[in-house]
Amino acid sequence: EVQLVQSGGGLVQPGQSLRLSCIASGFTFGDYYMSWVRQAPGKGLEWVGFIRGKASGGTTEYAAAVKGRASISRDDSNSIAYLQLNSLKTEDTGVYYCTRDYGGTNSADTFEIWGQGTMVTVSS
Amino acid sequence: DIQMTQSPSAVSASVGDRVTITCRASQGINNYLVWFQQKPGEVPKRLIYGSSGLQSGVPSRFSGSGSGTEFTLTISSLQPEDFATYYCLQHNTNPRTFGQGTKVEIK
Repeated sequence: EVQLVQSGGGLVQPGQSLRLSCIASGFTFGDYYMSWVRQAPGKGLEWVGFIRGKASGGTTEYAAAVKGRASISRDDSNSIAYLQLNSLKTEDTGVYYCTRDYGGTNSADTFEIWGQGTMVTVSS
Repeated sequence: DIQMTQSPSAVSASVGDRVTITCRASQGINNYLVWFQQKPGEVPKRLIYGSSGLQSGVPSRFSGSGSGTEFTLTISSLQPEDFATYYCLQHNTNPRTFGQGTKVEIK
């Protein structure tokens, strides 16, 4: 079964850091870009960033709202994607999702698979 | 950045109604457009990919169309389980950008 299982999150204080994990199974993880998307309470979906697959250099792109504070990485040997977010702000509060992005051949399966989401609350 | 302007922000409709939601991109996105449905407390569910490709398992009352900068999601005959919020997403250019969402409510 193709799936993404997330872990991490919880309550953190402003200024602290957190790392979220996304464990993939059922597909060739290394072939895919992996994106992170977040949703503030009662708000819409917001793309956070992605990491390209190894064939595309494994480089990253970020949304302006998190650039300089976010770091996405991947461990292809264990099929895990990570989102590290530093200097957390109250406006970073929300549900964070990992999702399988572009697979390098066509876009037919882009954004088809999502993790279950994990809540991050930034509050003192 | 490409701005995705989604309209309307909300629509009130009855079971059986035809509902159309539009996403307009600030520049061409080569049909790299996805539509999602999200119900409260649930993970977004992909409905349409590549502007018009129907996700496997999604009812045929959902359809997508458009090209270039203007895209449409149509629900041909609204069903009770379709009351939800719908989002478009462009993945032609970085950063990926979502529309603001359209809430489909019961009339």
